[in-house]
Amino acid sequence: VQLVESGGGLVQPGGSLRLSCAGSGFTFNNYWMTWVRQAPGKGLEWVANIKEDGSEKYYVDSVKGRFTISRDNAKNSLYLQMNSLRAEDTAVYYCARGGPHSDPLDYYYYMDVWGKGTTVTVSS
Amino acid sequence: SFVLTQPPSVSVAPGQTARITCGGNNIGSKSVHWYQQRPGQAPVLVVYGDSDRPSGIPERFSGSNSGNTATLTISRVEAGDEADYYCQVWDRSSDHRGVFGGGTKLTVL
Repeated sequence: VQLVESGGGLVQPGGSLRLSCAGSGFTFNNYWMTWVRQAPGKGLEWVANIKEDGSEKYYVDSVKGRFTISRDNAKNSLYLQMNSLRAEDTAVYYCARGGPHSDPLDYYYYMDVWGKGTTVTVSS
Repeated sequence: SFVLTQPPSVSVAPGQTARITCGGNNIGSKSVHWYQQRPGQAPVLVVYGDSDRPSGIPERFSGSNSGNTATLTISRVEAGDEADYYCQVWDRSSDHRGVFGGGTKLTVL
């Protein structure tokens, strides 16, 4: 079971970036997926979730209207389209799998498999 | 919005027991999950659903949750347990969102 993120890099404020996460070793379309980020020297921050079939999505308030989470189950891939980037979006972005039986409607959601992360730096 | 409060740091000698708390309003009504993050590495799930352990996590790691406090207990602490630990819940009080505590740095003396 593995998750591998890609797509990070240096971008100017106001710019865009698309992160990708490739899953392998498990049936990708059976799991919720999540993006979590960690600013330099700071704690973990949940960013967004997407349901197995992509029909439900949730976002932290600070990225609503700017970031879009999506998935392509045929490609076993998760994405995060990030627009209007700000300096405060600078962080390591982790892709994570929702644990078995995770369901936000049941107040029950955790991440059981994590990728190694990809670094996004927003700076001029 | 739901807030989880953790102590910034906990120190313990090798072989002793470390207890890391996670406070939140009536957190006992939610399911709490815990992650370990060693320096420069991705987080690892160590406890889910208040007290369940994923496969491969030593029995030395245990969790409890009641009232306004959840606790991660690490028995017979080893040098390799030195890491940051985060608690996490799913909140639906105002909007669907994941919530992490601020993290606790466990130092093994």
